[in-house]
Amino acid sequence: QVQLQQSGPQLVRPGASVKKSCRTSGYSFTRHWMHWVKQRPGQGLEWIGMIDPSDGETSLNQRFKDKATLTVDKSSSTAYMHLSSPTSEDSAVYYCARKTDYWGQGTTLTVSS
Amino acid sequence: DIVLTQSPASLAVSLGQRATIPCRASESVESYGNSFMHWYQQKPGQPPKLLIYRAFNLESGIPARFSGSGSRTDFTLTINPVEPDDVATYYCQQSYEDPYTFGGGTKLEIK
Repeated sequence: QVQLQQSGPQLVRPGASVKKSCRTSGYSFTRHWMHWVKQRPGQGLEWIGMIDPSDGETSLNQRFKDKATLTVDKSSSTAYMHLSSPTSEDSAVYYCARKTDYWGQGTTLTVSS
Repeated sequence: DIVLTQSPASLAVSLGQRATIPCRASESVESYGNSFMHWYQQKPGQPPKLLIYRAFNLESGIPARFSGSGSRTDFTLTINPVEPDDVATYYCQQSYEDPYTFGGGTKLEIK
């Protein structure tokens, strides 16, 4: 069965490096774009961007163009999202999602000094 | 960016009755007869769950109580009849063009 397993919660200081992972199984990793979505506490969903695992092509929401970098490791069927210079505004739950249908469980990022 | 408006933000419906949740797009999300609008259900502490894809297609495993309709800029998610387990927030999302925006959500409560 299709599974997307995300990395654990993180508590980081402002400006520290953040990398989220999304390990997949149960399907051909390179056949489906991987999406990332942000949800701040008590708020709605915000689309960050997507990556084509077959060739690394990305499409980013312009709001995140200086914040998020999407990559993949085909050898381990894992997608990654790097967040640069995090601030309290980046504190949120982040989801990876295979197109629209399968979602990871979500991973919480807390940015606090 | 395509703006999706979901109003009302919350909706109270009696058990066994029909819930109608609208979503309006700022521009058409239709191309060659396909409407790139999807609906999700989200419960607290859980990821969104896909209910309807491309406007009216029921995702596998989703009860037939859920249905989607609409085209171009106006779409509706209908739940009929509403059951206790349906208490959740419902989001629409367009994948017609990026950024693939979401609506602000409609929270369904039982009256």
